[in-house]
Amino acid sequence: QQQVKQSPQSLIVQKGGISIINCAYENTAFDYFPWYQQFPGKGPALLIAIRPDVSEKKEGRFTISFNKSAKQFSLHIMDSQPGDSATYFCAASVGGTYKYIFGTGTRLKVLA
Amino acid sequence: EAQVTQNPRYLITVTGKKLTVTCSQNMNHEYMSWYRQDPGLGLRQIYYSMNVEVTDKGDVPEGYKVSRKEKRNFPLILESPSPNQTSLYFCASSSRPTGNTIYFGEGSWLTVV
Repeated sequence: QQQVKQSPQSLIVQKGGISIINCAYENTAFDYFPWYQQFPGKGPALLIAIRPDVSEKKEGRFTISFNKSAKQFSLHIMDSQPGDSATYFCAASVGGTYKYIFGTGTRLKVLA
Repeated sequence: EAQVTQNPRYLITVTGKKLTVTCSQNMNHEYMSWYRQDPGLGLRQIYYSMNVEVTDKGDVPEGYKVSRKEKRNFPLILESPSPNQTSLYFCASSSRPTGNTIYFGEGSWLTVV
């Protein structure tokens, strides 16, 4: 019940295309859902995050869609660029616990 | 510049030889944590600390120790490393337990032979 299942494991997208990464969870106590972006040789960095009281959050080309009833959330990268090539992790946490559960990661490659 | 600094970045060691990976943050964050990253398993939390002298186990604490004697430092100790501890390790800090940005260090590649 503490897992966050992430798919796909890897993704190849043409430049200008839409990249979509999905995550699913079981624990309904999760109340914060961030996405982290990791470039090779670097630590993960926060990209965008959402709380379950909203269904969508957009920041530039990056959008999180959240479906509370289905217990799923996804990251959409519009107009994908080669510079977006990285590993993306979804995560979930329960407020006040300092327990973050990360997905297994998606390696995105955007072809020029 | 906000930073989480960990050392060493790369280390090859032998089974059983005690080692310490240091971590320091300059953001006056109360919360610090250690993760390991393994292919296909994502990031898994090893230990975390809510403040000085306050630590707790994460999901994979076996074989590791931590200490938090100062707010800025949170070293990870492998008393007797084994090959299954070969991994990429990240130190992280945050100003709140959850719901806030986690700042990660750049990682420490550890190989135990």
